[in-house]
Amino acid sequence: DTGVSQDPRHKITKRGQNVTFRCDPISEHNRLYWYRQTLGQGPEFLTYFQNEAQLEKSRLLSNRFSAERPKGSFSTLEIQRTEQGDSAMYLCASSVTQGREKAFFGQGTRLTVV
Amino acid sequence: GNSVTQMEGPVTLSEEAFLTINCTYTATGYPSLFWYVQYPGEGLQLLLKATKADDKGSNKGFEATYRKETTSFHLEKGSVQVSDSAVYFCALNYGGSQGNLIFGKGTKLSVKP
Repeated sequence: DTGVSQDPRHKITKRGQNVTFRCDPISEHNRLYWYRQTLGQGPEFLTYFQNEAQLEKSRLLSNRFSAERPKGSFSTLEIQRTEQGDSAMYLCASSVTQGREKAFFGQGTRLTVV
Repeated sequence: GNSVTQMEGPVTLSEEAFLTINCTYTATGYPSLFWYVQYPGEGLQLLLKATKADDKGSNKGFEATYRKETTSFHLEKGSVQVSDSAVYFCALNYGGSQGNLIFGKGTKLSVKP
């Protein structure tokens, strides 16, 4: 197993376009998290899934953002009508359910909206 | 609400110098505390953690002690190496999952030979 995988690693899009990112968690990890990291800041929590259920969404997740994990394995994060303020690194992490297990992060998808 | 404040960088040290990166937190309840490290071009990696007051987390020569009375979790290393150059993030966990994290802004460390 190679860890949490995110695709693409980089995405440049024009303002107003829709983009979709994919995250493949570590197999057997039933929890999956999305974070956003802007330049000079720490990661900010967006949402998380336990299996296919989306259990928590941050107020940062505007109605232009939607995340899915249809089969409880990989997840997608879609941003509709992108804005320049959406430019950031989008991080995915996964963990098992037990509270003391650590979360493993992917390398992220860097989005640039021009 | 929950929050994490860590010292701003960048921090530049010479090899073998002593490192301290300060971190304080505000939280309801009793969170677990973490230090994550991000090496250039790589993802976030858990460096160490502590789950209750007075616990000391340690890894790769780094240490941090969970101080409830001062709400702090300062990162220390006695002798830094060039390979320690990275961005360090302090974080706290809320809720029951170790993936629900609130991060500080990060401190960039550069170690010169």
